[in-house]
Amino acid sequence: GESVGLHLPTLSVQEGDNSIINCAYSNSASDYFIWYKQESGKGPQFIIDIRSNMDKRQGQRVTVLLNKTVKHLSLQIAATQPGDSAVYFCAEKGYTGRRALTFGSGTRLQVQP
Amino acid sequence: GAVVSQHPSRVICKSGTSVKIECRSLDFQATTMFWYRQFPKKSLMLMATSNEGSKATYEQGVEKDKFLINHASLTLSTLTVTSAHPEDSSFYICSARQEDYNEQFFGPGTRLTVL
Repeated sequence: GESVGLHLPTLSVQEGDNSIINCAYSNSASDYFIWYKQESGKGPQFIIDIRSNMDKRQGQRVTVLLNKTVKHLSLQIAATQPGDSAVYFCAEKGYTGRRALTFGSGTRLQVQP
Repeated sequence: GAVVSQHPSRVICKSGTSVKIECRSLDFQATTMFWYRQFPKKSLMLMATSNEGSKATYEQGVEKDKFLINHASLTLSTLTVTSAHPEDSSFYICSARQEDYNEQFFGPGTRLTVL
């Protein structure tokens, strides 16, 4: 069945360093991927998305890389700031016509000042 | 960006009572809305998908008679937790999606505590 998982449950980085959060997915038919940021007690906030016909997409301080060969997705945050501390989820949507997203288990990013 | 609101943000109720949670898309028409629940330190689990004017599609293991979903208009969906019990205590989050768009916009969530 479909599953989206993350390699590391917690990532601790120093302020100013770059952060890399990884995600593995199992559904090779997935055509759309999204990274969300969730702060405590709040709903998920859209960060960046990527379609399966791309392998890289950049936003402001964030980059998403997609490797379809190994079914791996990563989120890179440049010059990590204390405000980046949150739980990050990857989510995917498959070709099956299913409109809902399947969420990964999440990675907590802790930024040390 | 598109804004989705939820009301209430927090609710405490007694066991056996029913609670209604509203999800509204404020600046766009949402043909599809989704309801998720999230336990502490866990990921979001999809409960059901609702399309305006039709019955909701529930995920396996979600009781449709317990979690009543109504999507009466393109900007409003409601989730009613009937005869709530302490194990229903959770963080309930909705999201909304426009027709032909992949992106979903999430509400701020509703914290339900059943005593």
